[in-house]
Amino acid sequence: QKEVEQNSGPLSVPEGAIASLNCTYSDRGSQSFFWYRQYSGKSPELIMFIYSNGDKEDGRFTAQLNKASQYVSLLIRDSQPSDSATYLCAVPNAGGTSYGKLTFGQGTILTVHP
Amino acid sequence: GAGVSQSPRYKVAKRGQDVALRCDPISGHVSLFWYQQALGQGPEFLTYFQNEAQLDKSGLPSDRFFAERPEGSVSTLKIQRTQQEDSAVYLCASSSIGRAYGYTFGSGTRLTVV
Repeated sequence: QKEVEQNSGPLSVPEGAIASLNCTYSDRGSQSFFWYRQYSGKSPELIMFIYSNGDKEDGRFTAQLNKASQYVSLLIRDSQPSDSATYLCAVPNAGGTSYGKLTFGQGTILTVHP
Repeated sequence: GAGVSQSPRYKVAKRGQDVALRCDPISGHVSLFWYQQALGQGPEFLTYFQNEAQLDKSGLPSDRFFAERPEGSVSTLKIQRTQQEDSAVYLCASSSIGRAYGYTFGSGTRLTVV
């Protein structure tokens, strides 16, 4: 089992819809979870992080964490064509490291069509 | 500089050739990471430096891969006798603190082995 798994997609949603991106992780000791956005040919950009069970909202983005189910998701409300990108779920320090090593999922490609 | 600088931006190498990829982190950043991102995959950890000390090289895929950061600033990732499976984007990230949300990624070097 991979340490961090995502639906590879691609996921296609119409403009204005809610896009839902999912991620599961295997290390029960993981404490925090990151969502990165990566445009084609560009480097990853951190858009959300979450530590506590429940929801965390930032503008059109909501991260949801359920530690019991080892599941984290990202909702994008009112999706825009500019949201079209690959979304990467990442877990820091999986496996007991302490210096910020990131373990990424394989990414979900999101396309928002007008 | 204002960000993490990587060079070259693109590199085409013939199979069996040695290559050197450079990363110039943000001035003063203690932590430096190298990741490998194959096409359609998330980044995978290669190695970690704290100042000039290489504290984790568990992700280096073979003894053909070697990284150094001799003065605690610029780092070089060297790949000897390149193989086709080495084709990927190599990302460098630096952080002023040993935690993942402090990361700044460089733009990456796209290596193509022909």
